Amino acid sequence: DSGVTQTPKHLITATGQRVTLRCSPRSGDLSVYWYQQSLDQGLQFLIQYYNGEERAKGNILERFSAQQFPDLHSELNLSSLELGDSALYFCASSVAVTNTGELFFGEGSRLTVL
Amino acid sequence: QQQVKQSPQSLIVQKGGISIINCAYENTAFDYFPWYQQFPGKGPALLIAIRPDVSEKKEGRFTISFNKSAKQFSLHIMDSQPGDSATYFCAGVGAGSYQLTFGKGTKLSVIP
Repeated sequence: DSGVTQTPKHLITATGQRVTLRCSPRSGDLSVYWYQQSLDQGLQFLIQYYNGEERAKGNILERFSAQQFPDLHSELNLSSLELGDSALYFCASSVAVTNTGELFFGEGSRLTVL
Repeated sequence: QQQVKQSPQSLIVQKGGISIINCAYENTAFDYFPWYQQFPGKGPALLIAIRPDVSEKKEGRFTISFNKSAKQFSLHIMDSQPGDSATYFCAGVGAGSYQLTFGKGTKLSVIP
């Protein structure tokens, strides 16, 4: 158990809809990262938050947004969903004190868009 | 732009054999190279990592070999076991950053 909690584990929705994925980081971790995992693209970095502030952006679509709340949990909002958004979405957290590269991943939220 | 190229995409090894996964990177700003292991239904978990000032790092049956001049690194799993069957991802991360750039993964199957 990594200590990172993601909900929901599975989500099925229709095209054009909006969903919110939630992540609770490990106790004490200030950084939260969101990754998208698909069969053809592998693990793609979406966005990083550190202590409530956006720190880095990767290949995140404009239809997607995220935020980190004062209690450090984070939410990833996906809107105007398309079939191609079906993927596993992982949240990860880190201590962010030194650059060890170690991220602790949750078990992911599997999104299916029909 | 894929900055970390990983091969092979899949690998089948007999129990007791050596599994070898190779990665090549393009970004010379990378200064930390972790390997993550992912079991079905789980998130990736850090397995072993290396910095470019070291040519080899060994932890138990797992060894990373690093060739800075060639911008290549590899994971060797000695005495591979069925419990090692998982997907392995190499990655690179630059100084001061936590943005891991992952390879596309290698699905390892170790058969009895």
